[in-house]
Amino acid sequence: AAGVIQSPRHLIKEKRETATLKCYPIPRHDTVYWYQQGPGQDPQFLISFYEKMQSDKGSIPDRFSAQQFSDYHSELNMSSLELGDSALYFCASRRPGTTPGEQYFGPGTRLTVT
Amino acid sequence: QKEVEQDPGPLSVPEGAIVSLNCTYSNSAFQYFMWYRQYSRKGPELLMYTYSSGNKEDGRFTAQVDKSSKYISLFIRDSQPSDSATYLCAMSGYSSASKIIFGSGTRLSIRP
Repeated sequence: AAGVIQSPRHLIKEKRETATLKCYPIPRHDTVYWYQQGPGQDPQFLISFYEKMQSDKGSIPDRFSAQQFSDYHSELNMSSLELGDSALYFCASRRPGTTPGEQYFGPGTRLTVT
Repeated sequence: QKEVEQDPGPLSVPEGAIVSLNCTYSNSAFQYFMWYRQYSRKGPELLMYTYSSGNKEDGRFTAQVDKSSKYISLFIRDSQPSDSATYLCAMSGYSSASKIIFGSGTRLSIRP
C-alpha cells in the first residue's frame, strides 16, 4: 500500500540557512499535518492543511511557513535556521471522512542544524 | 502541566507477559483516543483508536477509555519481542480539523 512520502530523508544545514521539506500524502488523502519531534520528545503539532487551506496552527515559529499545493503535496519552509530546529519533522495525512486521529505518518525528515 | 501525561518508562517485561500502558489527560474536550507505536527512527504508526469511553479489542491489543477518570490504557497480551517500541498515547477533539496531542511516549522492551 502507498504510504506518505517525505523528502529529503536527511538534511544538514548551517545556522541562518533556509530549508524546504516536502511531503507527498497518500493518494486521495486531503488533509496534511506537520509535526516536529525533538530527541526523546513527543511529536509537536506545527500546522495542518485541508483541501489546500490552512486548517489549524500549533507551535510553529514565525520563521516557518507551509503550504499545500493543488496536487495535495505540502512543503514546509524554514528560514533563519537555529540550532534548536534540529529535529525529526514528520508529515501525516488523513483521508476524507475519517476521524482526526486516523493519521498516517511518513518516515520523517531528520534536520540537523550546525 | 501537560494536557496529556504518560509515564516515559522504560518498561521491560519478559516475552509472553501482559503489558499495561497508561495515560491521563486534563482536557475534557478530547473525544478521540489513539495509541501509536513508534520504532526507532521511524514515523508513528496508528495502532488503535476509540471514540469516547469504552473498550476496543484488536488481536492482542485492547484499548480502554474511562472519560470520567480521564484515563486511558492499552493492554498487550502475549507480548512479543517485535512489540518492543515506544508507545504514544494521543488525543483529539471531535472536529475533523482537530490536531492530535501526544503523550511523551513509553519505551517498551520485551525480553526474549
